Amino acid sequence: GDSVTQMEGPVTLSEEAFLTINCTYTATGYPSLFWYVQYPGEGLQLLLKATKADDKGSNKGFEATYRKETTSFHLEKGSVQVSDSAVYFCALRGGSTLGRLYFGRGTQLTVWP
Amino acid sequence: EADIYQTPRYLVIGTGKKITLECSQTMGHDKMYWYQQDPGMELHLIHYSYGVNSTEKGDLSSESTVSRIRTEHFPLTLESARPSHTSQYLCASSDARDPTGELFFGEGSRLTVL
Repeated sequence: GDSVTQMEGPVTLSEEAFLTINCTYTATGYPSLFWYVQYPGEGLQLLLKATKADDKGSNKGFEATYRKETTSFHLEKGSVQVSDSAVYFCALRGGSTLGRLYFGRGTQLTVWP
Repeated sequence: EADIYQTPRYLVIGTGKKITLECSQTMGHDKMYWYQQDPGMELHLIHYSYGVNSTEKGDLSSESTVSRIRTEHFPLTLESARPSHTSQYLCASSDARDPTGELFFGEGSRLTVL
């Protein structure tokens, strides 16, 4: 079945460090891929998405490229800020899921000044 | 900006009480979902609906029930709350016409049962 495997945290970085959070997936067909972010005490917000192979989603300095050959959608940011501290979720919508999204387990990121 | 609202944001209640968590969206989305988020952050789908009078149970068994009498409204009810129900509950919706399946989330309801 469809599933997402996400790098476990927590991840702790200093401000301006480079961030990578790994995400790989298993899916039938051609899934859409997402990164959601959850700030403390809030719900999830869409950070970026990609709908086909080689698409790059980007937002707020974050990027992720849909790699079909490696079934991956790793999240990257070149220089993190304290305000990026949050929980990040990778998710997929497969072709056979009737619109459901499958989420990874979340990665807690803490950025220190 | 997503227009999906959850009330209450925080609720502390005693064992045995009946509670209803409200979720409303103004986007006209047919699909709505309830997720339970455990302290380890993992999200578990507990209920979903693809339209009025349509409700299904999700992956995680839950003692809660839902109803979908109006498109915009998807309340979750616990008839008799227990400490094991203490959790964060997140409501979400999506547009059936959007092929990507993007979900829009409310801010969550944090339930504590004493």
